[in-house]
Amino acid sequence: GQQLNQSPQSMFIQEGEDVSMNCTSSSIFNTWLWYKQDPGEGPVLLIALYKAGELTSNGRLTAQFGITRKDSFLNISASIPSDVGIYFCAGGPSGSRLTFGEGTQLTVNP
Amino acid sequence: DGGITQSPKYLFRKEGQNVTLSCEQNLNHDAMYWYRQDPGQGLRLIYYSQIVNDFQKGDIAEGYSVSREKKESFPLTVTSAQKNPTAFYLCASSIRIDSNQPQHFGDGTRLSIL
Repeated sequence: GQQLNQSPQSMFIQEGEDVSMNCTSSSIFNTWLWYKQDPGEGPVLLIALYKAGELTSNGRLTAQFGITRKDSFLNISASIPSDVGIYFCAGGPSGSRLTFGEGTQLTVNP
Repeated sequence: DGGITQSPKYLFRKEGQNVTLSCEQNLNHDAMYWYRQDPGQGLRLIYYSQIVNDFQKGDIAEGYSVSREKKESFPLTVTSAQKNPTAFYLCASSIRIDSNQPQHFGDGTRLSIL
């Protein structure tokens, strides 16, 4: 199956700072998804990307589908305390099952 | 509202006991999944089903069993053979099994050993 590497594993930042995390795959993907999981809840889809080079925003969040189709990035601008949680990337080649990254644990200090 | 409902939110198991976690969806999705999440860890796939009366083992199926008798329901049984069952269990569904179909998750069941 696909291997998906997500980094960093954890981040500790101050409120107001920008955040960047990324995922790389061992094979070419046709889809990249980004989820957020609040403590004690299930992951919620933030952004879906379906085309190489695609750049999509959702409020203060921006995600990009890498040109090589083997990576994706998620940026959060001007972080706030409610951004705390675990962020997961997911994706795969067309027709395959979704593969999830290991997650990035984000802590925002007020 | 359409969505996925997991119950109960918290569950306690005694040694040697089987317990069943419920997952119901009204999204009309064909595919359903069960994941296990340990503290600070990612999602590990236990079982998945692409259609009624069909299911496949995931990466960590030992000690678990499932059934898919109805499209809406995909219950997970944690058997006494699962020696370390304490974890957060997440159910998900998607239109079909394909990476271009996002999975939608329930709010999870936290299982603990008494």
